[in-house]
Amino acid sequence: DGGITQSPKYLFRKEGQNVTLSCEQNLNHDAMYWYRQDPGQGLRLIYYSQIVNDFQKGDIAEGYSVSREKKESFPLTVTSAQKNPTAFYLCASSMGPTNEKLFFGSGTQLSVL
Amino acid sequence: DQQVKQNSPSLSVQEGRISILNCDYTNSMFDYFLWYKKYPAEGPTFLISISSIKDKNEDGRFTVFLNKSAKHLSLHIVPSQPGDSAVYFCAASAPQGGSEKLVFGKGMKLTVNP
Repeated sequence: DGGITQSPKYLFRKEGQNVTLSCEQNLNHDAMYWYRQDPGQGLRLIYYSQIVNDFQKGDIAEGYSVSREKKESFPLTVTSAQKNPTAFYLCASSMGPTNEKLFFGSGTQLSVL
Repeated sequence: DQQVKQNSPSLSVQEGRISILNCDYTNSMFDYFLWYKKYPAEGPTFLISISSIKDKNEDGRFTVFLNKSAKHLSLHIVPSQPGDSAVYFCAASAPQGGSEKLVFGKGMKLTVNP
């Protein structure tokens, strides 16, 4: 079955630690995205990538980094510079950058110890 | 400044009745609107969309209405079922905006009681 796989489902971060959230898709989609959801809030765009080896900052990129070395993979690193990392992180993909229909993974809940 | 607003955080309806979820937007450049449904601890799933050239789009029990002059859209679910209980997000995009320019509302929690 085609889809988007995020791992882990739950992740805990210690102070000063960098953590990486995994996102893999087998939909052959060109575009991939990372969103953050806080309680009672909408989805906010962190980073997006329209093609391999290229990515752009979204609305709240500070404290995060990404890479897009393969079409299928778009990992997100939450760095120690992100002072409020506790949130639900969602990875998504779409066929192309102009296609608004996003397919989402099941999310990673990140908490700070 | 919220460009997409879902002003009611929650709605509770009886099974079999109609659920009406509202969404307002401020950016007159938005021309494509989508509704996503999200269960707890899962990612949102696409439900239905509408282009600004239409004022209604229907898919089974789900109908989306668009009132461009009022900058308002609504999602109607008829009849509502307990499995429809979820958080619903409204999203909008502008021309040439692409997926990276999707703006999401805060979501509305729908509870359908048996």
